[in-house]
Amino acid sequence: AAGVIQSPRHLIKEKRETATLKCYPIPRHDTVYWYQQGPGQDPQFLISFYEKMQSDKGSIPDRFSAQQFSDYHSELNMSSLELGDSALYFCASSNRVGSYNEQFFGPGTRLTVL
Amino acid sequence: DAKTTQPTSMDCAEGRAANLPCNHSTISGNEYVYWYRQIHSQGPQYIIHGLKNNETNEMASLIITEDRKSSTLILPHATLRDTAVYYCIVREYTGNQFYFGTGTSLTVIP
Repeated sequence: AAGVIQSPRHLIKEKRETATLKCYPIPRHDTVYWYQQGPGQDPQFLISFYEKMQSDKGSIPDRFSAQQFSDYHSELNMSSLELGDSALYFCASSNRVGSYNEQFFGPGTRLTVL
Repeated sequence: DAKTTQPTSMDCAEGRAANLPCNHSTISGNEYVYWYRQIHSQGPQYIIHGLKNNETNEMASLIITEDRKSSTLILPHATLRDTAVYYCIVREYTGNQFYFGTGTSLTVIP
């Protein structure tokens, strides 16, 4: 079965640079979620989109922005990168009108800021 | 914010049942209990969820107490590949994000 696809899988950036992470949800899923997991920490919710509209916002820094496109893929844009942004970034998708609404997570993008 | 309490770590012998407890004493009537696990830096994997009845699927069983203030995830025959961090999460059925708590680090011992 198709899973959530994230690209790139690994990304290395310098401080103050920008980065764009992409997420392709499972076909027919209408909701996308972004999570950040720092080293040794638990996943923290950043932001979510439902039918291309932002539906909820968590601990996402103002330097980050995200959107969901007409094909339901989503991009997380990160600017003025800081050392503390080094983390695993997970995207998850769900079908809100599905019977269980569980979230399916992608493999993550490992961002390293030098 | 996380609304659950789990032991930090547990060990289980390979082939035996692993019973992972979770306290969610402030759970409300429309909140479900979800279980996910994360195997070393991989994306969290859905295991099971339930409202008030016990649930079973091919991966695990979920036992929810009658007052719904706690639950237990049961892996009936633990294997080495079940070594992971297990997260118990409560959320409304139509809710949005998951709030991950600290989770239980389960180590399956040969």
